[in-house]
Amino acid sequence: DAKTTQPPSMDCAEGRAANLPCNHSTISGNEYVYWYRQIHSQGPQYIIHGLKNNETNEMASLIITEDRKSSTLILPHATLRDTAVYYCIVRVRRTGNQFYFGTGTSLTVIP
Amino acid sequence: KAGVTQTPRYLIKTRGQQVTLSCSPISGHRSVSWYQQTPGQGLQFLFEYFSETQRNKGNFPGRFSGRQFSNSRSEMNVSTLELGDSALYLCASSFLTSGGARGETQYFGPGTRLLVL
Repeated sequence: DAKTTQPPSMDCAEGRAANLPCNHSTISGNEYVYWYRQIHSQGPQYIIHGLKNNETNEMASLIITEDRKSSTLILPHATLRDTAVYYCIVRVRRTGNQFYFGTGTSLTVIP
Repeated sequence: KAGVTQTPRYLIKTRGQQVTLSCSPISGHRSVSWYQQTPGQGLQFLFEYFSETQRNKGNFPGRFSGRQFSNSRSEMNVSTLELGDSALYLCASSFLTSGGARGETQYFGPGTRLLVL
C-alpha cells in the first residue's frame, strides 16, 4: 500500500548536494510526507517531515511542490556517512499510525 | 533522552519454536508499532499498540501477536516459527497524545535479528 514512487538508486559525489525525488500523486490534503533513512541493518532514522511548506532542519531540507504531488529531500553536503536507503512515506492517517514503506532509494555517496 | 531499545538484538531459533521480543519505547511515548523487514518483502507493518490496546494490525497470520504493558513497553510473540520468519524485527515509538504530525513521528529501535533454522 505504499503510495510513493522513488528511483531505486542514486549516486552523489561527496561534498555535493544530494537531491532525492519522490512522487506521491495520490496524496490527500491532510497527509504528511515523511522521510527516513536506513543505514545497513540498522533501524530507520527519522529525517524530516512536512505538509505543504518547505522544511529545513539540521539534517536536510524538504521541498514539496505546490500541488503536493511530489517532493525532494536535499542533503546539502553529502558525506560518506549519508550512504543509506532513503524512504519517502505518506502516512495514511485513516488507517492508524502505521507507515507504509516502499522500496526506497539507495543513495551511494562517492568519495 | 534514551532512544527505543529492543532486546535481544540477535536470536537463533529452530522451526516450530516460539519467540518473544521486547521493546522499550522512548520515555513518554505511548504508541508502539512493530515492523518486519526481510530482503524479499521489505519493511512491513505488523501491529500498533496504544494505551495497552491494539489499534491496528497488518496482514500477518495469527502466529504473530503482541501486547503492551501499562508502562508502554511492548512485546511481540511469534509461535510455531517458520523459516520465512527469519527477519529483522523493528519496534518504533511515537508520542501520539494530541495528534498532529510531530506527535506521530515514529522513532525506531535498532531491531532484533531473528534467524530460524
